[in-house]
Amino acid sequence: ILNVEQSPQSLHVQEGDSTNFTCSFPSSNFYALHWYRWETAKSPEALFVMTLNGDEKKKGRISATLNTKEGYSYLYIKGSQPEDSATYLCAFEEQGAQKLVFGQGTRLTINP
Amino acid sequence: NAGVMQNPRHLVRRRGQEARLRCSPMKGHSHVYWYRQLPEEGLKFMVYLQKENIIDESGMPKERFSAEFPKEGPSILRIQQVVRGDSAAYFCASSPVANSPLHFGNGTRLTVT
Repeated sequence: ILNVEQSPQSLHVQEGDSTNFTCSFPSSNFYALHWYRWETAKSPEALFVMTLNGDEKKKGRISATLNTKEGYSYLYIKGSQPEDSATYLCAFEEQGAQKLVFGQGTRLTINP
Repeated sequence: NAGVMQNPRHLVRRRGQEARLRCSPMKGHSHVYWYRQLPEEGLKFMVYLQKENIIDESGMPKERFSAEFPKEGPSILRIQQVVRGDSAAYFCASSPVANSPLHFGNGTRLTVT
């Protein structure tokens, strides 16, 4: 059974502060690592798909890094805004398998 | 360009009834995935389909659950003889090709009474 762990489970951050959280995944048979943002009452929305060790992706104030050798990815949010409040999911994609294994998510709340 | 459409949004069934959940993928997407979110748990993979084919059903319970994605029409997730433990949110996602980001629907919340 593939294990994808995210930490912390929940996080409260003051508006304007920067924050980051972690996704751990198996370091063998790696194909891709996905990040999704899931706002309340909406559906998960893709942020990044990362495939190469050392890869860094950026979208506005959100960025992500990837270490496939040790099996972790970090998601960073710079200068948090209330609209960043959401659950952030990572998902591991294994070589040869066309399905995603999701972590439990990090629930981020930005306090104004 | 409409997104992934799931219906109904909410479905209430009594124990022993059948539940049929529908998913219309985004236009041009031929890969459909079903995920289930049980209370207090994360998204769990159920099944991956392409038009008229089940590619991977390793996450589907062996009994009572079935899925199809016919040549014409939406993908259907069917649960026969529902039990209380089937109460969950069922999400459909689609993609244009394999190994690409998923586009999710808003889910169907099934409640079994």
